[in-house]
Amino acid sequence: GQQLNQSPQSMFIQEGEDVSMNCTSSSIFNTWLWYKQDPGEGPVLLIALYKAGELTSNGRLTAQFGITRKDSFLNISASIPSDVGIYFCAGLVQGAQKLVFGQGTRLTINP
Amino acid sequence: DAGITQSPRYKITETGRQVTLMCHQTWSHSYMFWYRQDLGHGLRLIYYSAAADITDKGEVPDGYVVSRSKTENFPLTLESATRSQTSVYFCAIKTSGTDTQYFGPGTRLTVL
Repeated sequence: GQQLNQSPQSMFIQEGEDVSMNCTSSSIFNTWLWYKQDPGEGPVLLIALYKAGELTSNGRLTAQFGITRKDSFLNISASIPSDVGIYFCAGLVQGAQKLVFGQGTRLTINP
Repeated sequence: DAGITQSPRYKITETGRQVTLMCHQTWSHSYMFWYRQDLGHGLRLIYYSAAADITDKGEVPDGYVVSRSKTENFPLTLESATRSQTSVYFCAIKTSGTDTQYFGPGTRLTVL
């Protein structure tokens, strides 16, 4: 089946640093979604990408839909303590209803 | 607020017992999904439903049963719970014609 490889699995950074994470796959996806999950909560949608090459921002977050349609990137600028959590990428194949999720990137911020 | 509630939020049960987890949406989104989240496996789809009375298997359906007699409710039943079903269960909804799914707060289930 389709798999998403998300990296890194975990990150330990200082407050104020920028963060980059990515997802890659051997399959082509038509939609990429990025979610954040806080402890004890459900994933919350951050950014949705629908077109190859698309670059979309949401505040300090920027995500890109890779030109090959097999990867996506999420950047967080000037990290703050509330950015702590687990970030998931998810991909959707055209015509399918089932999302494929990456394994998540756990972000820890040292104040 | 996507209008999704899950109940109970926490449940402890014993091996062999039947357990039902409820998902309720206050809107009328067509699609509803059940996922389980385990360390090392991320989110895995158990079952999903495209509309009332239409359900389909996901990646890990064994040991689970679903029904959807009403659009707003999508219960997940473990007919005979096993320890391997200890997990956090998330319900999600999606509107037909869109790709984005919105998640509920989750139910943490422990099977002893």
